[in-house]
Amino acid sequence: QVTLKESGPVLVKPTETLTLTCTVSGFSLSNVRMSVSWLRQPPGKALEWLAHIFSNDEKSYSTSLKTRLTISKDTSKSQVVLTMTNMDPVDTATYYCARTLIRGYAMDVWGQGTTVTVSS
Amino acid sequence: DIQMTQSPSSLSASVGDRVTITCRASQSIGSYLNWYQQKPGKAPELLIYTASSLQSGVPARFSGSGSGTDFALSISSLQPEDFATYYCHQISSAPWTFGQGTKVEFK
Repeated sequence: QVTLKESGPVLVKPTETLTLTCTVSGFSLSNVRMSVSWLRQPPGKALEWLAHIFSNDEKSYSTSLKTRLTISKDTSKSQVVLTMTNMDPVDTATYYCARTLIRGYAMDVWGQGTTVTVSS
Repeated sequence: DIQMTQSPSSLSASVGDRVTITCRASQSIGSYLNWYQQKPGKAPELLIYTASSLQSGVPARFSGSGSGTDFALSISSLQPEDFATYYCHQISSAPWTFGQGTKVEFK
């Protein structure tokens, strides 16, 4: 069974750095047919794709957030980590990680999401 | 960045209705478009990938069509469990972008 689970702080202060971890099971981060994306959804708003990492460690980022985001993976730990610097209240959202198949870049399995609030 | 525009933003329908949601890309994306369904408080679920391929386990009443810049998601006979928000997502070129969502509500 394939699962993904996000973990990280519930509350961060403005200007702090957010670190989120996606722990996967049921597949390997070295599988060339699979990869992992991070996305977010502010309350009541649409989904927003943030970043993506392939099995060969190739990465891509949202244009608007590129300077603040870093995605990395530890294949041995089955974890994908997203860091976002200089957090602001507008970054308050539910953050999701999703397995992304190379076939059509379809996000076929999602984590349950983790809600992050940015407030002093 | 490629902009994705869905229409309508919301619609009211009844059980048994045929529903169609459209999604337009600001430039050609071939067939690199996926559709997701999201229910309140839940993570999105994949419905359709590469414009028209039905994800395993998704009921056949869902179908996708289109290529280039114009796409559609259709539900042939709306069921109670289909009341949700639907998103299109282009994966033709990074940064990948979503439509703003279409909320399907009870009439």
